[in-house]
Amino acid sequence: SQQGEEDPQALSIQEGENATMNCSYKTSINNLQWYRQNSGRGLVHLILIRSNEREKHSGRLRVTLDTSKKSSSLLITASRAADTASYFCATERGGADGLTFGKGTHLIIQP
Amino acid sequence: DGGITQSPKYLFRKEGQNVTLSCEQNLNHDAMYWYRQDPGQGLRLIYYSQIVNDFQKGDIAEGYSVSREKKESFPLTVTSAQKNPTAFYLCASSIDRGTQPQHFGDGTRLSIL
Repeated sequence: SQQGEEDPQALSIQEGENATMNCSYKTSINNLQWYRQNSGRGLVHLILIRSNEREKHSGRLRVTLDTSKKSSSLLITASRAADTASYFCATERGGADGLTFGKGTHLIIQP
Repeated sequence: DGGITQSPKYLFRKEGQNVTLSCEQNLNHDAMYWYRQDPGQGLRLIYYSQIVNDFQKGDIAEGYSVSREKKESFPLTVTSAQKNPTAFYLCASSIDRGTQPQHFGDGTRLSIL
């Protein structure tokens, strides 16, 4: 079953604007990861946030995690055309479960 | 450069045929995974392997088989028992099956003729 659910399913913004995507999950987790997938390609790992962390930054990316609400957000600042892709959250619960992926948010950056 | 190589990029299968998808990694990772992705969907785990000569079923293993005879290689066979095999197949690896990010290949798109 899919643990994470991204919102919105699709997002279209102008280049230079900020993009925010959300992920909700159902059970307790060890960490939450965000991945990007360009059309027809594999996934690329962006950032990992552990359950005891609240915020993490990597370049133009900012991820927050609220374990009380079982939710995470990914913010991409100053978006570029190259950011056009699908973004997936994945939760890791520990043990043999591995990662569970959501259905993704399709982000389109309009020039 | 280290990475994961999947081949072929596109594969066509006739009804009743078995086909094998290749996945090779030179990252020295112990854990390897196979996922299936359908249009507009997330990834679903087919099989995973934590170490050579060991593999476990994922959420949708029926109609698939794998082997892990070498650390670098984790081929997936889509058997004729898989009734709806048309999908995008992704292979991934990680240092171990614990709290580690996964590295992905560029996928194989399988279609039925």
